[in-house]
Amino acid sequence: DSGVTQTPKHLITATGQRVTLRCSPRSGDLSVYWYQQSLDQGLQFLIQYYNGEERAKGNILERFSAQQFPDLHSELNLSSLELGDSALYFCASSPRGKETQYFGPGTRLLVL
Amino acid sequence: AQSVSQHNHHVILSEAASLELGCNYSYGGTVNLFWYVQYPGQHLQLLLKYFSGDPLVKGIKGFEAEFIKSKFSFNLRKPSVQWSDTAEYFCAVNAHESSYKLIFGSGTRLLVRP
Repeated sequence: DSGVTQTPKHLITATGQRVTLRCSPRSGDLSVYWYQQSLDQGLQFLIQYYNGEERAKGNILERFSAQQFPDLHSELNLSSLELGDSALYFCASSPRGKETQYFGPGTRLLVL
Repeated sequence: AQSVSQHNHHVILSEAASLELGCNYSYGGTVNLFWYVQYPGQHLQLLLKYFSGDPLVKGIKGFEAEFIKSKFSFNLRKPSVQWSDTAEYFCAVNAHESSYKLIFGSGTRLLVRP
């Protein structure tokens, strides 16, 4: 157990819908990263937050957004979902962003 | 831009065989290097990491990796694999200049036959 929690574990939804994925970092970690794992793209960085502020962006679609709240948990919002958004979404956390990242169990999203 | 190449996409070994998984990265600056393992249906777990110092790094479960700067490589090794090592292995790098986001290789699926 890495200490990073993610909810829900599984999510099944329809095209066009919007979902919110939640991540709680390890206690004391200020930095949260989101990654997408899909069969065709592999593991890709989406976005990073540090102490409530966006720090870096990767290949994140405009339909996707994220935020980090004062209690340091983070949410990834996916809207206007498409079939191709079906993937495993991981979050990871680290103390200040430059140390080892520890991954949560992931949320498996299936868009039908 | 940083990139990571894992040359072996699928590896099949018998128990007790030795393992070496290749990883090469492309980046001109200072990087941190990682190997993560993903057991079937589970999340990514850190096997080992290299930030600086001794280029031979020992990790959990008997794994080790050697950083060879001149070859931009960080190969993973284990002298004797077990059936429980069946998993997917990911090499990753990050750097200060890119906010320490992890760049992953495409992964190597290891199947260990009992």
